[in-house]
Amino acid sequence: IAGITQAPTSQILAAGRRMTLRCTQDMRHNAMYWYRQDLGLGLRLIHYSNTAGTTGKGEVPDGYSVSRANTDDFPLTLASAVPSQTSVYFCASSRGQASTDTQYFGPGTRLTVL
Amino acid sequence: GQNIDQPTEMTATEGAIVQINCTYQTSGFNGLFWYQQHAGEAPTFLSYNVLDGLEEKGRFSSFLSRSKGYSYLLLKELQMKDSASYLCAVMDSNYQLIWGAGTKLIIKP
Repeated sequence: IAGITQAPTSQILAAGRRMTLRCTQDMRHNAMYWYRQDLGLGLRLIHYSNTAGTTGKGEVPDGYSVSRANTDDFPLTLASAVPSQTSVYFCASSRGQASTDTQYFGPGTRLTVL
Repeated sequence: GQNIDQPTEMTATEGAIVQINCTYQTSGFNGLFWYQQHAGEAPTFLSYNVLDGLEEKGRFSSFLSRSKGYSYLLLKELQMKDSASYLCAVMDSNYQLIWGAGTKLIIKP
């Protein structure tokens, strides 16, 4: 059982460049999420998808876009990276969006924007 | 606004008991979660409370008081491998998780 995979593990990116963070799950979960984690702050939701073909904005969506073409994949794109997007990015999934549906996290992508 | 408060850091001794507190103010409540996160790793699920009271799971227990907006995670018989950050999160009325900044627990021999 692989669970959730993310790629790349880490990346250093020049400001202004476009970058796509990949996320794939093999649990057939309906809901998927992208969070960023910064020192001293809680995880903050960027975008989410309750089911394939639908997406929604979280707490900090500006500068990011997502797509959900199928159940398994949920890529996150930074159209034009800025230094404030330096962070650790976690993808997560859950069976549904009910309160009893535990979120499972991928290993994360450490992104540095210079 | 929505707010989750937990201590930044705690220190405890191997074999002892530690209680990590979490207070919250959120728009709606659909459950409270505790996650464990080792340095450089992903958060992993520990517990879920939606009703008042204590939920016990091995060495770990979690308590909830909805009227007080308060929860705690109790870790017994501490082991060195319990050194990690413990994240408190509340599911709000939109079924989104609001996260605290986490409590870094340091275990000393």
